[in-house]
Formats: sequence, C-alpha cells, structure tokens
Amino acid sequence: IAGITQAPTSQILAAGRRMTLRCTQDMRHNAMYWYRQDLGLGLRLIHYSNTAGTTGKGEVPDGYSVSRANTDDFPLTLASAVPSQTSVYFCASSDSPGQPNEKLFFGSGTQLSVL
Amino acid sequence: AQSVAQPEDQVNVAEGNPLTVKCTYSVSGNPYLFWYVQYPNRGLQFLLKYITGDNLVKGSYGFEAEFNKSQTSFHLKKPSALVSDSALYFCAVRDSMDSSYKLIFGSGTRLLVRP
Repeated sequence: IAGITQAPTSQILAAGRRMTLRCTQDMRHNAMYWYRQDLGLGLRLIHYSNTAGTTGKGEVPDGYSVSRANTDDFPLTLASAVPSQTSVYFCASSDSPGQPNEKLFFGSGTQLSVL
Repeated sequence: AQSVAQPEDQVNVAEGNPLTVKCTYSVSGNPYLFWYVQYPNRGLQFLLKYITGDNLVKGSYGFEAEFNKSQTSFHLKKPSALVSDSALYFCAVRDSMDSSYKLIFGSGTRLLVRP
C-alpha cells in the first residue's frame, strides 16, 4: 500500500535555483494539498486542489506554484528558491474535500534546505 | 478567521501516568476539531475528530479528547501513557462559517514519555 509518495526525501538547493517537489497518490482522492512545516509555526497551507484541473492558494502561496493535470499528481514548484523556503514540505490528500469531517492523508515529507 | 493554539511546546510524562495535551480554538461558526500525530521522519496521521454529538471522542491508540464549548478547548488525553506515544501532536480546526473549509493547524506539542 503506497498511499502518498513524495520525492525527493531531502534536497539541498542553492538560492535562485528552480525546484519541483513531486507528490503522487494512488488512492484516487479528489483533493490534494501542500503544507510547509516550520518549528513553532506548525503546518501552513501553501496551495490546494479540490479536483484535477483546479488549484487554489492557501495561507502562504508566495514563491510557490502548483499544477493538477491529473488526479494522481500534484507537483509543487519553487521558481527561484530563497533561504526562507527552507522547511519540511508535506503533501496530503483527501477523498472528501469541503466536508466537515474531511480526513487528510499525509506523505512522509521532503526536507528542503535553501542555501 | 479561525485559529488554534497549543500552549505547550513539550509535555513530559512518566509511562503509566495519564497525559493531557492542550488545545484551544477560535472560530466564527461551529468548530470541527481534529488531532493528528507525527512520528519521527513521518507524515501526520489522523487520531480523532469532533464534528458533533458526544463531547468525549475516542480515537486511535487509546487516545480520547473532550470538546468543551464554553472553554473553547479540545484537549487530548490518555489514561495511561506508553513510551511509544512519544511523538509530535497537532490540533487542527475547521470553521463551519469558512466556505473554503480550510484546515488550520496548531504549532504542535511534543510529547515525551519516559520509561
């Protein structure tokens, strides 16, 4: 059972470089999310997608972009990385977007360091 | 806008003793409340939720949480802690008045259970 797969597991990136974090799910969930986790701040929503072909901005979308060409994949792109984007990034999915009892399933995360 | 607070960065408890991890929230409408747990180098896992009904909610691994509307709290509890319960715990809230049904996470509380 794979669930949600994120790649790479970790990455060190020079400032100004472009980077795409990959996220794939095999649960056929409609909704997918990208969060960043920072010490003392918990998880903050970057972007989300309620269904293939649609995306939306979360709490901290600046400097990030996403696409949702199909149900399974939801890549997150940093067009020009900056040190403040050093964080742990989590991809999540759910099968009931917008429902009060929506439960999220998370990947194992990508540790990104921007130098 | 909805918010959630976890006032303790870390909770220390001896194995076999009861544990409590605190969470308070603020919403405009009705709260939908969740607890997630994160083990080292893993993504978050769903523990339990409160949507409506009985104020005492039981979840995975023997955990339970009590919804208290007057105190706007949703504290996580377990009668007898295990060393294996040591992890990072996140409270999260969704506001019934928020049409986006955005899930907001607290900053997390690290639980350390000593043998």
